[in-house]
Amino acid sequence: GENVEQHPSTLSVQEGDSAVIKCTYSDSASNYFPWYKQELGKGPQLIIDIRSNVGEKKDQRIAVTLNKTAKHFSLHITETQPEDSAVYFCAASKAGAGSARQLTFGSGTQLTVLP
Amino acid sequence: DTGVSQNPRHKITKRGQNVTFRCDPISEHNRLYWYRQTLGQGPEFLTYFQNEAQLEKSRLLSDRFSAERPKGSFSTLEIQRTEQGDSAMYLCASSSKRASFLGTDTQYFGPGTRLTVL
Repeated sequence: GENVEQHPSTLSVQEGDSAVIKCTYSDSASNYFPWYKQELGKGPQLIIDIRSNVGEKKDQRIAVTLNKTAKHFSLHITETQPEDSAVYFCAASKAGAGSARQLTFGSGTQLTVLP
Repeated sequence: DTGVSQNPRHKITKRGQNVTFRCDPISEHNRLYWYRQTLGQGPEFLTYFQNEAQLEKSRLLSDRFSAERPKGSFSTLEIQRTEQGDSAMYLCASSSKRASFLGTDTQYFGPGTRLTVL
């Protein structure tokens, strides 16, 4: 089955700096890659996703890049703010149109933004 | 609030007891997923429903676990004869089959039910 590796497990940055989290996946058939943010005591919240027919996607301060050949994808957060502090998870899934998307998650990155 | 809701939010039980959790998905979402999350790990897939039909089950879902979605709306997850290893956060998510054809079948997660087995 699919295996998703995520690095680093912890990341501390100064407010205003950028943060980068990287994930690799094993199943070349995976075609959907969401990123979730999870705050303490809450469920994961989608922040951005990318499909395998796209190499990069950006939403304000957040961007995701995908390299299908190398089977890795990354999350980039620019101009970090203290409220960005949380655990971030990458995930991967494969499905055809209309099929269910069982997600395989990475082990998470605890991001701390220092004021 | 029209998001995914889960009850109870916390459950403490003794080993050997049965527990049941409930998930109410986003209205009109016909797909519902259960995941389990242990401390310091990402969520792991347990099972998936499309309407009332349970279409996928993970190997993680032992015989002590059973999930239902009788009318294609809310779902329950029951654990029988709980063990200390069952202690975890149980997450429910929902998505729209119609949206998947449009390439936008985001899974929306609820707040989870934290189970502690003593």
